[in-house]
Amino acid sequence: AQKVTQAQTEISVVEKEDVTLDCVYETRDTTYYLFWYKQPPSGELVFLIRRNSFDEQNEISGRYSWNFQKSTSSFNFTITASQVVDSAVYFCALITGTASKLTFGTGTRLQVTL
Amino acid sequence: EAQVTQNPRYLITVTGKKLTVTCSQNMNHEYMSWYRQDPGLGLRQIYYSMNVEVTDKGDVPEGYKVSRKEKRNFPLILESPSPNQTSLYFCASSLGRGSGANVLTFGAGSRLTVL
Repeated sequence: AQKVTQAQTEISVVEKEDVTLDCVYETRDTTYYLFWYKQPPSGELVFLIRRNSFDEQNEISGRYSWNFQKSTSSFNFTITASQVVDSAVYFCALITGTASKLTFGTGTRLQVTL
Repeated sequence: EAQVTQNPRYLITVTGKKLTVTCSQNMNHEYMSWYRQDPGLGLRQIYYSMNVEVTDKGDVPEGYKVSRKEKRNFPLILESPSPNQTSLYFCASSLGRGSGANVLTFGAGSRLTVL
């Protein structure tokens, strides 16, 4: 069985602060993909990143960065210099090589205030 | 524009009144799926379809039906809705399973309230 845990239910930061959203996953498969999705207040789900289990390189995209560590089964997401527009619910998700579904964590609500 | 379209976006109905939430994609995707989102539970899969006429249950299929008669359409049917089906529903599609093929594209969501 696969599982994704996002222990942080809600985080509040002041604009320009850095913030890290944690994601811990469980799977017995050796081939899997990890994802982050953003859900802004408007409600749609926006794909942010996909990482496969054979690629442990960290990724940076503008103010966003992702730290994938197989040794700790974690795929954490950092926003540098947060902005109000980053306010959203962020979901981490996992799919294994043979699975038919994306398993989501329960989400972390990020509130960025001025 | 490549997209997944769901209708209706918002619906308030009463217990027992059959309803259908439509889902259509224009990307020729083989795989389609329905999820429901509830506070504190994240998104949970209801049903999925690997291709036309091939459907299977997800984690929370009770009270729902689906059909896949055409590749582009995957309607979600609530034969006799109950208040515990009040939720935000998402349809999603992808090329299929396998490397590079399983990035899900989601619809905008359908907020359903059952009184």
